[in-house]
Amino acid sequence: GQQVMQIPQYQHVQEGEDFTTYCNSSTTLSNIQWYKQRPGGHPVFLIQLVKSGEVKKQKRLTFQFGEAKKNSSLHITATQTTDVGTYFCAGPQGNKLVFGAGTILRVKS
Amino acid sequence: KAGVTQTPRYLIKTRGQQVTLSCSPISGHRSVSWYQQTPGQGLQFLFEYFSETQRNKGNFPGRFSGRQFSNSRSEMNVSTLELGDSALYLCASSFLGTGTLQETQYFGPGTRLLVL
Repeated sequence: GQQVMQIPQYQHVQEGEDFTTYCNSSTTLSNIQWYKQRPGGHPVFLIQLVKSGEVKKQKRLTFQFGEAKKNSSLHITATQTTDVGTYFCAGPQGNKLVFGAGTILRVKS
Repeated sequence: KAGVTQTPRYLIKTRGQQVTLSCSPISGHRSVSWYQQTPGQGLQFLFEYFSETQRNKGNFPGRFSGRQFSNSRSEMNVSTLELGDSALYLCASSFLGTGTLQETQYFGPGTRLLVL
């Protein structure tokens, strides 16, 4: 079945540095979603990308969907301590939503 | 609008017991999906219910079951608990549920289950 791989598993950055997490699918995706889970919390929807090559921004967060619709990335500019958490991508497999393993972000102040 | 609620929030059980977890979706949402989250396996899809029918199912043994009521509230049951069932169980609701164009999933706070 379809797999959604995320890298890196874990990243520890200094406050103010940039951060990027990558998501790769073994098959073409109709769309991709990104979620953030704070420590001790639950996943919260961030954004959905649908179009090939789509780029969306939310303040310091930039989301991209690859031209082939098989990969995606989330880039955070100038990280802040409030950015800590686990970032998940998720793509549809048939009628199910398949989540990547997530990237844990830690920010040193 | 109130968010997704799950009860109980924490639960301790012993091996061999059974457990029932409850999820109340956002008002108006008809789809409820259940996920198991563990440090090693990430978020694993259990099943989805829509209009009282199980519409999708993940790769979990038959010990894991669920149901949905006419008011869209859902329960999941795990029978004959094993140590490996210790996890955070999350439910998520959406209006129409999973499909070709995925809707946003609104997650509840989860039920943390510990099996001793």
